[in-house]
Amino acid sequence: GNSVTQMEGPVTLSEEAFLTINCTYTATGYPSLFWYVQYPGEGLQLLLKATKADDKGSNKGFEATYRKETTSFHLEKGSVQVSDSAVYFCALKGRGSGAGSYQLTFGKGTKLSVIP
Amino acid sequence: NAGVTQTPKFQVLKTGQSMTLQCAQDMNHEYMSWYRQDPGMGLRLIHYSVGAGITDQGEVPNGYNVSRSTTEDFPLRLLSAAPSQTSVYFCASRRGNGDEQFFGPGTRLTVL
Repeated sequence: GNSVTQMEGPVTLSEEAFLTINCTYTATGYPSLFWYVQYPGEGLQLLLKATKADDKGSNKGFEATYRKETTSFHLEKGSVQVSDSAVYFCALKGRGSGAGSYQLTFGKGTKLSVIP
Repeated sequence: NAGVTQTPKFQVLKTGQSMTLQCAQDMNHEYMSWYRQDPGMGLRLIHYSVGAGITDQGEVPNGYNVSRSTTEDFPLRLLSAAPSQTSVYFCASRRGNGDEQFFGPGTRLTVL
């Protein structure tokens, strides 16, 4: 079955530091890949996505590249801010028309804290 | 456009009590789902629905029931609450097999 493994936190960084959160996946075929963000006390929001190999998703200064050869989708940001403090989830969605293609498979989440 | 709404935001139950968590969306999305979020476990799928009248089980369905009588609503029923069901519950919806999934704000449930 499908699975997502992401680095466990918590991660604590100083403002303006470089961020990488690793994410690797196992899936049949070519899934769509996502990063979701959860701010304190809120539901999850889509941060960025990539639907095919070598695609780069980007939003709010965050980037992730779909690497089929390494089955990875690492999240990066060049200069984090205090407002980026949140929990980040890597996720995948399979392709096809079966029930499995409707389901998102999530990693366990990585909590990021950015200190001034 | 309210998106995905959930009620209540907080709930405390005693073991054995039953209750229904409400979820509604106003985006005419076919696909709706329920997740539970537990520390260190990420989000786990409880039940999902691909349209009115169609539901199916996810990864952790035991102790929960769902029904989908309308496109807009997808309630989650706890039949006899247990302390192991203490969790944060999220409802989500998506347009058919479209990529972006929209989440509600969550219901924090405590079972004593």
